[in-house]
Order: sequence, then C-alpha cells, then structure tokens
Amino acid sequence: EIVLTQSPATLSLSPGERATLSCRASQSIGTYLAWYQQKPGQAPRLLIFDASNRATGIPARFSGSGSGTDFTLTISSLGPEDSAVYYCQQRSNWPLTFGGGTKVEIK
Amino acid sequence: EVQVVESGGGLVQPGGSLRLSCAASGFSSSIYCMSWVRQAPGKGLEWVASIKQSAGESHFVDSVKGRFSISSDNAKNSVHLQMSSLRAEDTAVYYCARRGGADGWGSFDIWGQGTVVTVSS
Repeated sequence: EIVLTQSPATLSLSPGERATLSCRASQSIGTYLAWYQQKPGQAPRLLIFDASNRATGIPARFSGSGSGTDFTLTISSLGPEDSAVYYCQQRSNWPLTFGGGTKVEIK
Repeated sequence: EVQVVESGGGLVQPGGSLRLSCAASGFSSSIYCMSWVRQAPGKGLEWVASIKQSAGESHFVDSVKGRFSISSDNAKNSVHLQMSSLRAEDTAVYYCARRGGADGWGSFDIWGQGTVVTVSS
C-alpha cells in the first residue's frame, strides 16, 4: 500500500499570504496525484488532478507541482473562502489512498 | 447536470447488513470507475471500493474484503454497495464518487453529498 504523508497538519496564515502544502508518497507514483478541498459538512471537491492540472472551475490561485514521491499544492494568495482541509490522493496503485490532510486556517 | 446521489444509509446493529445506492445522472456510470469513499467522524478520507463495469473490474480495501460487495445496475444507471457483518469501525459518511478522465480511471471528479451509516447497538 502506498502511504501518503501530508505536512504540515495545520497551517495558519493571513489573507493574501501564500500557502504551501506538501504531500510525500512512500514510493514513486509518477504524476498520479490529486488534491481535494473539503469544507465542514461538505463533500470533497477536486482541485488538481495528475499533479498539476486544475480541475474545471478551480481558480488560478491554486496550483500543483511535483512528480515521483514529492508533491506540492500552492495557494498563491489566500482568501477567507480557502479555509478548509486539503487532501492528496494517489491513483497509481490499488488500494487508492489519501493523505491525512492539512487544515488551512485563515487568521 | 452531471451528478451522483447516494441513499440507503441508516442505523444498523453490529453484525447487520445495509445496502447503499448511488444514482448517477448526466453520464453513464457503466463506463466510468464508480467508487465509494468513507469518512469516519472527525477523521480523514478512506477509499472503500470501486467498480468499472465496462472493464469487468472491482476492487476493495482490505478491511472490507469478504464483507462488502459492489455492483452496477445499467438499467437504473446506478451502483450499489452491499455491506454485511458491519462493525462499529464502519461508522462513517459514505460518499459515492466518479473517477473521471478520458478513460474513466482518473481522479474523483464528481462526488455526492454522502449518506451516513451508523453501526451501534
């Protein structure tokens, strides 16, 4: 099973600041990595697929990078609406796995 | 509109059974990998099971193998998760999600709002 480790667990930043979230895979997954945003009481929403491709309707302030075992989600300028938990997920191998999540708080 | 809607959740005793349904609209569920992802209270996301009928494939996380089954109903454009021998640790919100992409094996691009399963005596 491929283990995804996300860091930090919590990120507390001010509006307008840049957020950098990390996801590390226990073995190489190429670019088969996605990022999701989940707000309280809501279903997850796909932000980034295949490491660096924005999903339909996702603002340009969200970007993804990386390949192999190290991946990054960047939110270039945080807004209050970005307060959420962010999960990475790999589709390289069965079982599909998710990271533990990073909670982004807006000060 | 492309969407999926779950139903069938509820309260069940340990050892009991429950059948969840996922109704798809706006696309054919048989050509995509349709999946169930769960989230225990206050916890993260866990993939549970997937089926892609057109490929004749289904997959399960180890913790539910032998207890859960997944099926597809073309006539109703829906997917079902049959859960048996339920345990307290199966308590969660169960989401139905579509794997998108041109080949239907991509990331989870369409999610339902979830159905709550509570296993308790």
